[in-house]
Amino acid sequence: KAGVTQTPRYLIKTRGQQVTLSCSPISGHRSVSWYQQTPGQGLQFLFEYFSETQRNKGNFPGRFSGRQFSNSRSEMNVSTLELGDSALYLCASRGVGLGVYNEQFFGPGTRLTVL
Amino acid sequence: GENVEQHPSTLSVQEGDSAVIKCTYSDSASNYFPWYKQELGKRPQLIIDIRSNVGEKKDQRIAVTLNKTAKHFSLHITETQPEDSAVYFCAASVRDTNAGKSTFGDGTTLTVKP
Repeated sequence: KAGVTQTPRYLIKTRGQQVTLSCSPISGHRSVSWYQQTPGQGLQFLFEYFSETQRNKGNFPGRFSGRQFSNSRSEMNVSTLELGDSALYLCASRGVGLGVYNEQFFGPGTRLTVL
Repeated sequence: GENVEQHPSTLSVQEGDSAVIKCTYSDSASNYFPWYKQELGKRPQLIIDIRSNVGEKKDQRIAVTLNKTAKHFSLHITETQPEDSAVYFCAASVRDTNAGKSTFGDGTTLTVKP
């Protein structure tokens, strides 16, 4: 099986712009979560989608939004970028349903730099 | 919401020694506790996990213990090797059939000196 993929891998934007990141989960996985990782920090939970519905949301401002499509692919959008949004954005997919404790698999991440 | 504290933030050991990383959580609803290893420039990967109905789990040189009453869990690595050097993250998750929110600790940078 192909792993979780994310595009683009690197992105440079300027303050005030908006950005859209994409995540393709492992085939058959219907849960996709997004995390922000900054240097020296842990992974901060952004949101989780399952069956095109947001199931959980972290403590991020409304500038951060996401969605999930019928094929389970997910996108996250950040509007009005700020310098502090520079980070590695990771998505993770998980099979759900029969296995409540199924492993979460991470993608390689998108490195966003805001200038 | 859930809060996970992880200690220490950095840990240096000699090859062959043991390493212990500890985490505490606040939400008694958390029922799943995974540990991830992230090597430099790579994605986090699950190394071991434990469910809330289990007190201890072992996989070769790695073990995890969970104390639900005290709301803390620990990762134990024995006979450490240089390739164990990485950042380790603990997480506390509330899992149900269709969803699961994970809260991560801030990570522990483990250095194993040859």
